[in-house]
Amino acid sequence: DAGVIQSPRHEVTEMGQEVTLRCKPISGHDYLFWYRQTMMRGLELLIYFNNNVPIDDSGMPEDRFSAKMPNASFSTLKIQPSEPRDSAVYFCASSPLAGQVGSDTQYFGPGTRLTVL
Amino acid sequence: DAKTTQPNSMESNEEEPVHLPCNHSTISGTDYIHWYRQLPSQGPEYVIHGLTSNVNNRMASLAIAEDRKSSTLILHRATLRDAAVYYCILRDAASWGKLQFGAGTQVVVTP
Repeated sequence: DAGVIQSPRHEVTEMGQEVTLRCKPISGHDYLFWYRQTMMRGLELLIYFNNNVPIDDSGMPEDRFSAKMPNASFSTLKIQPSEPRDSAVYFCASSPLAGQVGSDTQYFGPGTRLTVL
Repeated sequence: DAKTTQPNSMESNEEEPVHLPCNHSTISGTDYIHWYRQLPSQGPEYVIHGLTSNVNNRMASLAIAEDRKSSTLILHRATLRDAAVYYCILRDAASWGKLQFGAGTQVVVTP
């Protein structure tokens, strides 16, 4: 398997623009997670899905952030409008259902480095 | 949520063992101890986890204190590729999905 795939790997945009980050989880995984990493706050869980349904979005910073999972093989994290403080590395991770092989592990993608000018 | 405490950094010579401590004095009975590491410019990767007994895998060993208030990740022979930030995380079986990362320990390996 190719692992978790994220695109783009780098994104530079201007303040006020809409940004869409994309994630393809490992095939067969039922859980999908979005994290954000900054120097100040470290790695933070933003939201996670189970079978395409959002389970916990308490980490989403504000209404400018939204995440969707229209099907089992694709998820997006959207920021509208973007602000300079949103600059960070955004990671997507996936995991199998509890009880399945590897379910104790979250498999992370390479991340998207977002810079908002 | 129960928290963990780790040293900010540790240094080791190549091919020597590395012992990474983690304190978790408020751990609950349903908390699993997980370790992840993050190599430069990469996403975190799973290393090992355990509940009560010591655990071994191809990457490392996990030694858990009898009272479970602390644990130690052991890299038996450090290589330059082991230079990374190592995170000790408590994962509640009830809130299975959540991983709360702390600051971790930066491991530096010198040749």
